[in-house]
Amino acid sequence: NAGVTQTPKFRVLKTGQSMTLLCAQDMNHEYMYWYRQDPGMGLRLIHYSVGEGTTAKGEVPDGYNVSRLKKQNFLLGLESAAPSQTSVYFCAIRTSRSYEQYFGPGTRLTVT
Amino acid sequence: GEDVEQSLFLSVREGDSSVINCTYTDSSSTYLYWYKQEPGAGLQLLTYIFSNMDMKQDQRLTVLLNKKDKHLSLRIADTQTGDSAIYFCAEIPMFSGGYNKLIFGAGTRLAVHP
Repeated sequence: NAGVTQTPKFRVLKTGQSMTLLCAQDMNHEYMYWYRQDPGMGLRLIHYSVGEGTTAKGEVPDGYNVSRLKKQNFLLGLESAAPSQTSVYFCAIRTSRSYEQYFGPGTRLTVT
Repeated sequence: GEDVEQSLFLSVREGDSSVINCTYTDSSSTYLYWYKQEPGAGLQLLTYIFSNMDMKQDQRLTVLLNKKDKHLSLRIADTQTGDSAIYFCAEIPMFSGGYNKLIFGAGTRLAVHP
């Protein structure tokens, strides 16, 4: 998975609970992305970052927050989880010199 | 608008060629991608093509791009059981702010049978 790790791999939350998903890379790439994958819908971009200290909204940002305090790490937070956030979450990275995005192994989140 | 469509399912016999099709609506797309996802795994970048190209070949994979019809295809020669997976088509619209937002199709599930 091109030097991209995600923790945790699986998580079950109750409605209203909070959690943070971590994406870590060892490639020193500038761009990092968070996607969610739902059945029959492909992947949709939640938030992305073009460098340390910067973040921006993607297609479906509501209910999520992100931070990139260190270049290697991109955090995705759910402040108050809802069943609609049950999904598989993927992190991706890209260098500014290439158009190739490489994905992590994913985090499967279930909100009951 | 930005939209990518794929057929949901394809079944082929081992050793035959597979052709997975994709259509997109954004004529300004710059790059188009094919990703492979095996069960329980992340997405693996297979190949991509720049919009000024018609064809790209990489070992058993051939990508064809018809810009006029906004149609992208992935041909897998000599399909093997290890090719069974979901294949995603994705595009980068030109006006994605320079940050390369990928727009994905829903994926085509390829089943290879003996």
